Amino acid sequence: AQKVTQAQTEISVVEKEDVTLDCVYETRDTTYYLFWYKQPPSGELVFLIRRNSFDEQNEISGRYSWNFQKSTSSFNFTITASQVVDSAVYFCALIKAAGNKLTFGGGTRVLVKP
Amino acid sequence: ETGVTQTPRHLVMGMTNKKSLKCEQHLGHNAMYWYKQSAKKPLELMFVYNFKEQTENNSVPSRFSPECPNSSHLFLHLHTLQPEDSALYLCASSQDRNRGGETQYFGPGTRLLVL
Repeated sequence: AQKVTQAQTEISVVEKEDVTLDCVYETRDTTYYLFWYKQPPSGELVFLIRRNSFDEQNEISGRYSWNFQKSTSSFNFTITASQVVDSAVYFCALIKAAGNKLTFGGGTRVLVKP
Repeated sequence: ETGVTQTPRHLVMGMTNKKSLKCEQHLGHNAMYWYKQSAKKPLELMFVYNFKEQTENNSVPSRFSPECPNSSHLFLHLHTLQPEDSALYLCASSQDRNRGGETQYFGPGTRLLVL
């Protein structure tokens, strides 16, 4: 069985602070994919990143960066210099390479105050 | 239009009503999904369709009836719902369910309230 845990339910920061969201996963599969999605108040889940389990290179996209560590089964997400528009719920998710079932974590609500 | 669209965005219905949710994807994908998002619960996969065929029913009560007439459209027919069915219903699509591990792209959701 697969499981994704996002231990932080809510994080509150002041604009321009950095914020790191933790994601820890469990799977018996050797090949899998990890995802991060953003859900703003409007409700839509916005795709942010997909990472193959064989690719442990960290990735940076603008103010977003991801740290994948297979040894600790973690796929953490950092927002640098946060902005009010970053306020949303962020979900980490896992899918096995041969599967279609996306297993989501419980989500972390990020509140960025001006 | 681009992406995944859902209508209506908001719906209020009584327990004896019959209503339908509609999802349309403009991404050329072949797999479509229905998810339920309740307060304080993780996102739950309800149904999966691949090339118009239902490939997954995640023990969903029969008061929810999906329909996929083609790869671009997905419906969720609702009847005799319960108040606990109030939730955000999200539709998603991906390139091909059989390829595995594909990115799912989501619509804006229908926020349903059952009175």
